[in-house]
Amino acid sequence: DIQMTQSPSSLSASVGDRVTITCRASHSISSYLNWYQQKPGKAPKLLIYAASSLQSGVPSRFSGSGSGTDFTLTISSLQPEDFATYYCQQSYSNPLFTFGPGTKVDIK
Amino acid sequence: QVQLVQSGAEVKKPGASVRVSCKASGYTFTTYAIHWVRQAPGQRLEWLGWINAGNGHTKHSQKFQGRVTITRDTSAGTAYMELSSLRSEDTAVYYCAREDVITMARGVFNWFDPWGQGTLVTVSS
Repeated sequence: DIQMTQSPSSLSASVGDRVTITCRASHSISSYLNWYQQKPGKAPKLLIYAASSLQSGVPSRFSGSGSGTDFTLTISSLQPEDFATYYCQQSYSNPLFTFGPGTKVDIK
Repeated sequence: QVQLVQSGAEVKKPGASVRVSCKASGYTFTTYAIHWVRQAPGQRLEWLGWINAGNGHTKHSQKFQGRVTITRDTSAGTAYMELSSLRSEDTAVYYCAREDVITMARGVFNWFDPWGQGTLVTVSS
């Protein structure tokens, strides 16, 4: 099975900060990587698919990059509504999708 | 709009089974696969299994082999996930999610969107 890791596990940031979250796959997954945002008590929400494609309706301050085993989610200017937990997900071994452990972004 | 609505919270005793439903609306049910994912308190999202809503083919995580059964009722536009031999570690929020797909020049890509609202399953004696 493909294992996913994320770093950091949590971070504290201020509104307006640039935030970068890293996701790593145990094997090459090409660009088969998605990013989700989850707020407490809510279902995850898709942000990025295919490593770098922005889901319709998602603000352009979110961007994704990477391929192979190393991927990045960047929030260019953190907004109050962005405080949440972010998960990466590999879709390379479809239909067996696996998620990273999550990165919690909270207020400094 | 495209929506998945799940059944309500359940409380079960160890050893029992639970069945969670996921009713789809706003699209042709048989055109998309449905996945089941769970999240134990404070834990990561964990993939349980998948059903092709068109032909009924399923696949499950090895971890849940023999305990999870995923079915669908095409006339009702509803998918079901049943988990048996429940133990305390199965206490979690269970989500269904629709698998969407796009063909791009660099490949065929899949993701989960939308998700159901989640169903809390509590296993306690």
